[in-house]
Amino acid sequence: DVKVTQSSRYLVKRTGEKVFLECVQDMDHENMFWYRQDPGLGLRLIYFSYDVKMKEKGDIPEGYSVSREKKERFSLILESASTNQTSMYLCASMRVTEAFFGQGTRLTVV
Amino acid sequence: GEDVEQSLFLSVREGDSSVINCTYTDSSSTYLYWYKQEPGAGLQLLTYIFSNMDMKQDQRLTVLLNKKDKHLSLRIADTQTGDSAIYFCAESRYGGSQGNLIFGKGTKLSVKP
Repeated sequence: DVKVTQSSRYLVKRTGEKVFLECVQDMDHENMFWYRQDPGLGLRLIYFSYDVKMKEKGDIPEGYSVSREKKERFSLILESASTNQTSMYLCASMRVTEAFFGQGTRLTVV
Repeated sequence: GEDVEQSLFLSVREGDSSVINCTYTDSSSTYLYWYKQEPGAGLQLLTYIFSNMDMKQDQRLTVLLNKKDKHLSLRIADTQTGDSAIYFCAESRYGGSQGNLIFGKGTKLSVKP
């Protein structure tokens, strides 16, 4: 059974903290993505990766970085969390005709 | 402007058909997708259509593609309360194999008993 697993469903962090959101897929896909979802704005692409150690900026990369040291794991890093990064974060792993999504991490920055 | 556009809300009665519309902008998109998101969950692929097709039917779902107008629609026949969710239209960029998906803002479908 196909699976994309995000390490946390809910997180509460303080302003200025460094935050790691982890995503693991078990399908041996090359392509992995991080989106954030906000009411009225839909899904916006933050970063994506085509292969290990490769990364590409999406539409809203500011304030974020990523790490892809192993094929199955794609991490999103908030170097210094801010309140405007409070959001639902969705990780996806993609093959030719389908993207598989994790359950999402709802991050609140206080 | 937006890459993918959809109306934000749709309300139907149980048993009626629902039609969710979407327009996209990248004429080179190879695949177009419909995803469903139930409350508190991630996105689940409902169906997709290859750009050289006009129509695809899968049980209660019918996808129509008008490539000339860059218009995609999803019809749900005999809509049930369990179909209440947010539906996202998405287009592939760079052919979908090493590309990424561009999503619309989602259409919230409410089904009234």
